Amino acid sequence: AQTVTQSQPEMSVQEAETVTLSCTYDTSESDYYLFWYKQPPSRQMILVIRQEAYKQQNATENRFSVNFQKAAKSFSLKISDSQLGDAAMYFCAYRSARLYNNNDMRFGAGTRLTVKP
Amino acid sequence: DAGVTQSPTHLIKTRGQQVTLRCSPKSGHDTVSWYQQALGQGPQFIFQYYEEEERQRGNFPDRFSGHQFPNYSSELNVNALLLGDSALYLCASSSTGQGTRVTEAFFGQGTRLTVV
Repeated sequence: AQTVTQSQPEMSVQEAETVTLSCTYDTSESDYYLFWYKQPPSRQMILVIRQEAYKQQNATENRFSVNFQKAAKSFSLKISDSQLGDAAMYFCAYRSARLYNNNDMRFGAGTRLTVKP
Repeated sequence: DAGVTQSPTHLIKTRGQQVTLRCSPKSGHDTVSWYQQALGQGPQFIFQYYEEEERQRGNFPDRFSGHQFPNYSSELNVNALLLGDSALYLCASSSTGQGTRVTEAFFGQGTRLTVV
């Protein structure tokens, strides 16, 4: 079974600085997706960025980028120019790319990010 | 576009009671999944519905059941509530494409269930 591990329960960053959140996963599959979701106090899970395992290029979305190391099964999130609105719980998630069995997302335990003004 | 909507937002039930939570998927989505998120933890997959049938199920007891309607909306039912069922219940919708690769799952704001 696939598992996702986030080893940093809490992280803190100064506003405008850069922070990296870590995630590792375990799978025997070769085709899958990885996601970072943000969950602010409003509770709604918001997709930050996604990476398809067959793509070697790391995904980027404005200030958010990932470092995807497939062989090492590592998927870290870098937030540049941190803003107060980035403060939230961040969850790393895995999903198989198999058709008709693809919505069973496995989540890590989360990392609480605090942004200091 | 209303996105994924869940109701109610908060609910308090007594141990042993039954509860029904509701979810309307994002427009154009036909697949609904339910997750349980205990305090301080990541979401855990309960089950997924597609074409009004349960397509996949996580490691949850039979007390957890669901339904999907022809308009793709879904209900999660929990019988014989236990104190440990207290959690945030999240609904996520996506589209099971015609042979296409997976689309993103969009989440609702969740229902906070408290069992006393």
